[in-house]
Amino acid sequence: DTAVSQTPKYLVTQMGNDKSIKCEQNLGHDTMYWYKQDSKKFLKIMFSYNNKELIINETVPNRFSPKSPDKAHLNLHINSLELGDSAVYFCASSQTAGGTEAFFGQGTRLTVV
Amino acid sequence: GDSVTQMEGPVTLSEEAFLTINCTYTATGYPSLFWYVQYPGEGLQLLLKATKADDKGSNKGFEATYRKETTSFHLEKGSVQVSDSAVYFCALRNSNSGYALNFGKGTSLLVTP
Repeated sequence: DTAVSQTPKYLVTQMGNDKSIKCEQNLGHDTMYWYKQDSKKFLKIMFSYNNKELIINETVPNRFSPKSPDKAHLNLHINSLELGDSAVYFCASSQTAGGTEAFFGQGTRLTVV
Repeated sequence: GDSVTQMEGPVTLSEEAFLTINCTYTATGYPSLFWYVQYPGEGLQLLLKATKADDKGSNKGFEATYRKETTSFHLEKGSVQVSDSAVYFCALRNSNSGYALNFGKGTSLLVTP
């Protein structure tokens, strides 16, 4: 029973295309996140949603648009993909309370060619 | 803003050696502190956490103590195994950042037989 699942695991696409990554959590958490991990393994928060409301929107190009249809899902849509978007994208979820840990999905490795 | 600083890797140790990975943080208020581990090709897993000063988190032989006076949360293990080879991330979670995890840059550990 996967707690946080994201699809696809691998995504190879050409520059200029539009793609989506889906994320679902079955933990009953009220907060979900998208993180980007670059080639040096550095993890940076992109977005955070709490009960379907956007609460964190870091300095991310507006080609990236998160969508949360309900509190168990947080999808990431990327328009006009660029080479620099190549990275591993992680979805995560947690309860809002600060002391609780976040649970991560397995990651989506996006390669833009 | 909040930040986490980890020792640079990679760290290479022989099996059964003692491990220390240094982590210091800068934050306002009372953040919670975490160590996550990422095995090759996988997502992030929580290793241990501490939610207040002087708390000690422990799991699988790893330990870290939340030291507010030195703003540190160093990870230690008395005897590493080859299976501990992974990337280790120190992170903090704080109310002033929407409770998103703020990660250090990660420390790669390689344990050789």
